[in-house]
Amino acid sequence: DGGITQSPKYLFRKEGQNVTLSCEQNLNHDAMYWYRQDPGQGLRLIYYSQIVNDFQKGDIAEGYSVSREKKESFPLTVTSAQKNPTAFYLCASSISSRVGYTFGSGTRLTVV
Amino acid sequence: GESVGLHLPTLSVQEGDNSIINCAYSNSASDYFIWYKQESGKGPQFIIDIRSNMDKRQGQRVTVLLNKTVKHLSLQIAATQPGDSAVYFCAENTGSSNTGKLIFGQGTTLQVKP
Repeated sequence: DGGITQSPKYLFRKEGQNVTLSCEQNLNHDAMYWYRQDPGQGLRLIYYSQIVNDFQKGDIAEGYSVSREKKESFPLTVTSAQKNPTAFYLCASSISSRVGYTFGSGTRLTVV
Repeated sequence: GESVGLHLPTLSVQEGDNSIINCAYSNSASDYFIWYKQESGKGPQFIIDIRSNMDKRQGQRVTVLLNKTVKHLSLQIAATQPGDSAVYFCAENTGSSNTGKLIFGQGTTLQVKP
């Protein structure tokens, strides 16, 4: 079955640590996105990539980094510079810029 | 600036009734709109979409209405069921941008009472 997979489902980070969230898709989609969701709020765009080896900052990129070395993969690193990383992180992909996204099931990150 | 908003944060309906969830958008250049459903702890799921050359589109038990004059989008759910309980988001894509970025609203929580 085609889909988009995020792992892990739950992740705990200590203060000062970098952590990487995985996002893999086998839908052959060119575009991939990372969103952050806080309680009672909508989705805020962190980074997006329309093609391999290229990505752009979204609205809240500070404290995050990404890479897009393969079409199928778009990992997100939450760095120690992100002061409030506790949130629900969603990865999405789309076949083109003119259709909707397919979302993963999310990773819940908690700072301990 | 661009914004997509929902009129009510929570909507409570009786099982079997019809539900209407509203969304206002501010960018007149937006030409593609989507409704997503998000259940607790899960990623959003696509429900239905509509392009600006249409004013109505129907799916299974759902209908999306687009009023470009007042920049308003609505999602109608017929015969609401307990499984419809979730947060519903509208999203827009502006025709002037080729980035594919969707702008999401804050979401409306739909509660279905048995």
